[in-house]
Amino acid sequence: GAVVSQHPSRVICKSGTSVKIECRSLDFQATTMFWYRQFPKQSLMLMATSNEGSKATYEQGVEKDKFLINHASLTLSTLTVTSAHPEDSSFYICSADPAGGQETQYFGPGTRLLVL
Amino acid sequence: KQEVTQIPAALSVPEGENLVLNCSFTDSAIYNLQWFRQDPGKGLTSLLLIQSSQREQTSGRLNASLDKSSGRSTLYIAASQPGDSATYLCAASNNAGNMLTFGGGTRLMVKP
Repeated sequence: GAVVSQHPSRVICKSGTSVKIECRSLDFQATTMFWYRQFPKQSLMLMATSNEGSKATYEQGVEKDKFLINHASLTLSTLTVTSAHPEDSSFYICSADPAGGQETQYFGPGTRLLVL
Repeated sequence: KQEVTQIPAALSVPEGENLVLNCSFTDSAIYNLQWFRQDPGKGLTSLLLIQSSQREQTSGRLNASLDKSSGRSTLYIAASQPGDSATYLCAASNNAGNMLTFGGGTRLMVKP
């Protein structure tokens, strides 16, 4: 089956630093990738839609200058949390939509971010 | 804007029991509806996907139904096992672009 990886799986950083999270589709190409955020005991909230070669589309309330998304290739999207603060601590999950219009997204294992 | 609600938020049952998880959505113009499983601290595993033209899907001990007119979907788990303990999420897609709206999830614990 299709596999999506995320790196790192867990990161602890100091307040004010920037953190980059990678999302890779390992055995398929993904024209579209999605970034979600999940707070403890809550559901996934879509942050942005990332399209290869174009600017990401951000959901309402998500600061595009704080959460920088780059989708430079059909197998890699990155999310950079700039000037992270403790309230950014969360579980970040990406998903990839295979090229060719398949019906389901494939989700990565998530990245746990803790900002001290 | 689509809103997805799941009831109950948490459920604890003894092993072997059959159970039903509920999902409701406000906009019936869905493209498909999916059920996912999430283990603690992990990503999502797709369990079942129901197209808008379908009424149900089955996989092993799992059966998911869809009633667009009433805005409801149910996930039926037969003969529950401790290994079924996880959070179950339903998500509705309103367009072919696959943008998903997730419910709050049901945290299931199956006790041996």
